[in-house]
Amino acid sequence: DVKVTQSSRYLVKRTGEKVFLECVQDMDHENMFWYRQDPGLGLRLIYFSYDVKMKEKGDIPEGYSVSREKKERFSLILESASTNQTSMYLCASSYPLRVGTAGANVLTFGAGSRLTVL
Amino acid sequence: KQEVTQIPAALSVPEGENLVLNCSFTDSAIYNLQWFRQDPGKGLTSLLLIQSSQREQTSGRLNASLDKSSGRSTLYIAASQPGDSATYLCAVESSGYALNFGKGTSLLVTP
Repeated sequence: DVKVTQSSRYLVKRTGEKVFLECVQDMDHENMFWYRQDPGLGLRLIYFSYDVKMKEKGDIPEGYSVSREKKERFSLILESASTNQTSMYLCASSYPLRVGTAGANVLTFGAGSRLTVL
Repeated sequence: KQEVTQIPAALSVPEGENLVLNCSFTDSAIYNLQWFRQDPGKGLTSLLLIQSSQREQTSGRLNASLDKSSGRSTLYIAASQPGDSATYLCAVESSGYALNFGKGTSLLVTP
């Protein structure tokens, strides 16, 4: 089974701190994603990456950056955490059902990282 | 921008009932539609994926249908069990890489 591992299940940080959320997948997937999930707002895409060193902004990239130096690892960075970034953060990876195509991606999610910013 | 809506937002049924969860989307140009399950405080588990060329997919007691032209999908759960209690999310892939999610239907199956 594909495994997507998020390094921290629960984090508590203070306003202004730099926060790193790490995500590792073990199945050589090309695509990786960071979502945040909030009550009443559902899942919203922050950033995604379709290759090493490649990144694309999602719907809500403001206040976040990402790093993908190796295929298996995708990091989400909060340069200066704020209270409105308190949320559940979900990492996912995917492969296309047809190799070499952009469509029909099957997503596998990690267990999530619940971040509280005080 | 693709908008995904799920109705109802919450549902409570007695054990043994068959039930239907609904999902609608605004742009019919999709690659696929996926149904996920999420238990409280956990990540998402993929249940079924329907490619744009397919009409339905089945897995055990779950059956998902897709009507692209009308922008609708349904998830049918047969003979519901308390262990089915969770939030069910629908997501569509229309941009090539990332999925757009609905806000989910919270299901409670009572013994």
